[in-house]
Amino acid sequence: EVQLVESGGGLVQPGESLRLSCVASGFHFTFTWMTWVRQAPGKGLEWVAKIKPDGSEKFYVDSVKGRFSISRDNAQNSLYLQINSLRADDTAVYYCAREMYWSLDPWGRGTQVTVSS
Amino acid sequence: QSALTQPPSVSGSPAQSVTISCTGTSNDVGGHNFVSWYQQHPGKAPKLMIYEVYKRPSGVPDRFSGSKSGNTASLTVSGLQAEDEADYYCSSYAGSNNAVVFGGGTQLTVL
Repeated sequence: EVQLVESGGGLVQPGESLRLSCVASGFHFTFTWMTWVRQAPGKGLEWVAKIKPDGSEKFYVDSVKGRFSISRDNAQNSLYLQINSLRADDTAVYYCAREMYWSLDPWGRGTQVTVSS
Repeated sequence: QSALTQPPSVSGSPAQSVTISCTGTSNDVGGHNFVSWYQQHPGKAPKLMIYEVYKRPSGVPDRFSGSKSGNTASLTVSGLQAEDEADYYCSSYAGSNNAVVFGGGTQLTVL
């Protein structure tokens, strides 16, 4: 079964950092583009970042450049999102997803990030 | 990367058909055939329903169909069922930065 499981979310204060993780199983992770998408409470989906199978290329939405960093460990079938200088508007459910030609399937269940003082 | 434009809501009675539009530009929807549609039930993760404009992943009922004309893509749900009530999002290759751009989402209500 193809599966993605995120973890690492939580309640943090503004300015703090978090590292989100996503563990993949059931498919050849090493050959797959991977993506992070977030969804703020009551809002729509926002593409955040993606990474090439070998990790050599990374792309970000303009609003997170410089604060977010996507990475992967193919030996551990794991995807990561490092989020620094967290702000209130980063509050969202963060999903990881497998990407093939700009379509995302499957998605993980998501991990909640809440930024509040 | 501007969001794609979707109607906030659509509705239909059981067994009827509804169509959800998704309007972009010649840089995204109109310039490529990498349009996808996702279904999201409350509290759940999105699920891919259509990719590359009209292709259905295995397991998606053929009541769901996709099309595109110019800068507007469409998702049609035929033979509406109660379980189809959900939010639907379109997405497309954004045309630059290897990015994906989403629509704002459409709430489908089955009356």
